[in-house]
Amino acid sequence: KAGVTQTPRYLIKTRGQQVTLSCSPISGHRSVSWYQQTPGQGLQFLFEYFSETQRNKGNFPGRFSGRQFSNSRSEMNVSTLELGDSALYLCASGAQYSNEQFFGPGTRLTVL
Amino acid sequence: AQRVTQPEKLLSVFKGAPVELKCNYSYSGSPELFWYVQYSRQRLQLLLRHISRESIKGFTADLNKGETSFHLKKPFAQEEDSAMYYCALSGSGNTPLVFGKGTRLSVIA
Repeated sequence: KAGVTQTPRYLIKTRGQQVTLSCSPISGHRSVSWYQQTPGQGLQFLFEYFSETQRNKGNFPGRFSGRQFSNSRSEMNVSTLELGDSALYLCASGAQYSNEQFFGPGTRLTVL
Repeated sequence: AQRVTQPEKLLSVFKGAPVELKCNYSYSGSPELFWYVQYSRQRLQLLLRHISRESIKGFTADLNKGETSFHLKKPFAQEEDSAMYYCALSGSGNTPLVFGKGTRLSVIA
């Protein structure tokens, strides 16, 4: 079974721009979660989607948004980028009735 | 509210020495606890979960509800154990995983 894939792997943007990150879950997984990973804060939960609906949301500003498509693929969007948004963004998928998360390799976002 | 605390940012041990990575949690219900590991240049992956009660790569972890802890232990550290370790908690229902800030384990030859 193919693992979770994320594109692109690296991104460089400037302040004020917006960015869209993509995640393809493991086949059959309907839950997709997004996390922000930084050296100082570790992994912080952004949001989770299940069957195209946002099921949970973390404490991030409204500039961070996401969506999920009918094939379970998910996108995350960050608008009006700030320097502090520089981080590794991880996507994870999970099977129904399981709390185990399978992680993708991440997208490294650098905001200049 | 759910909270996971890993008090050590960095833990250095010599090869062959015992290892204990500490994890304490705060949750009012019955949690499900996990340890995830991230080796250099690899993705985050599940190491073990308390409900399976397995030993993976020589690591074990016991859930102590009285002390609200889920410490990760290994009797003899190996160089290949050097990695970032995250403790995580999942509450009841469809609540998201909450991670601790991680402990970097460095095993010195």
